[in-house]
Amino acid sequence: DVKVTQSSRYLVKRTGEKVFLECVQDMDHENMFWYRQDPGLGLRLIYFSYDVKMKEKGDIPEGYSVSREKKERFSLILESASTNQTSMYLCASRQGGSQAKNIQYFGAGTRLSVL
Amino acid sequence: AQKITQTQPGMFVQEKEAVTLDCTYDTSDPSYGLFWYKQPSSGEMIFLIYQGSYDQQNATEGRYSLNFQKARKSANLVISASQLGDSAMYFCAMRENTGNTPLVFGKGTRLSVIA
Repeated sequence: DVKVTQSSRYLVKRTGEKVFLECVQDMDHENMFWYRQDPGLGLRLIYFSYDVKMKEKGDIPEGYSVSREKKERFSLILESASTNQTSMYLCASRQGGSQAKNIQYFGAGTRLSVL
Repeated sequence: AQKITQTQPGMFVQEKEAVTLDCTYDTSDPSYGLFWYKQPSSGEMIFLIYQGSYDQQNATEGRYSLNFQKARKSANLVISASQLGDSAMYFCAMRENTGNTPLVFGKGTRLSVIA
């Protein structure tokens, strides 16, 4: 079974803190993604990576950065957390290539609260 | 640009009845894939079913089927014989068959199954 593991299910941080959300996948997938989910807004893409050390901005990259030093790990960084970044964060991975049918697998999510 | 629309924020269905969750999409790419995911209250996104734009038949996976009407650009999910465990958020998503494009999601429909 594909496994995408997010390091924390729940996190509480203070405004201004630097926050790291970690995601690891065990299926040797080339593509990895970070989404945030807010009620009524669905899933919005923050950043994605199609290979090690490669990254692409999604729809809402402001206030976030990412790191992909190893194929299996994709980190989301909040340089200076703000209250409007309180949200559910979902990591996903997928086999690379242009085949539309490659399934995107998700982690269990991290609920981040910024106080 | 890709776009997914789910017009039903919430739906109720009686246990053992069938229910249809609506999804329309917009793309100029002739080759694309459509996905449905389920998100229970635990938060994890679970892949349910996939339909390719060139597939001749509607996709089916157990109690899930996809009513694909290409000319109308709709990809409705049909759940037959609803169970209490089907109560969850359901997301429709699409990916164009070009490079490493990410999945784009609709805003979701919350399904509640009533005993």
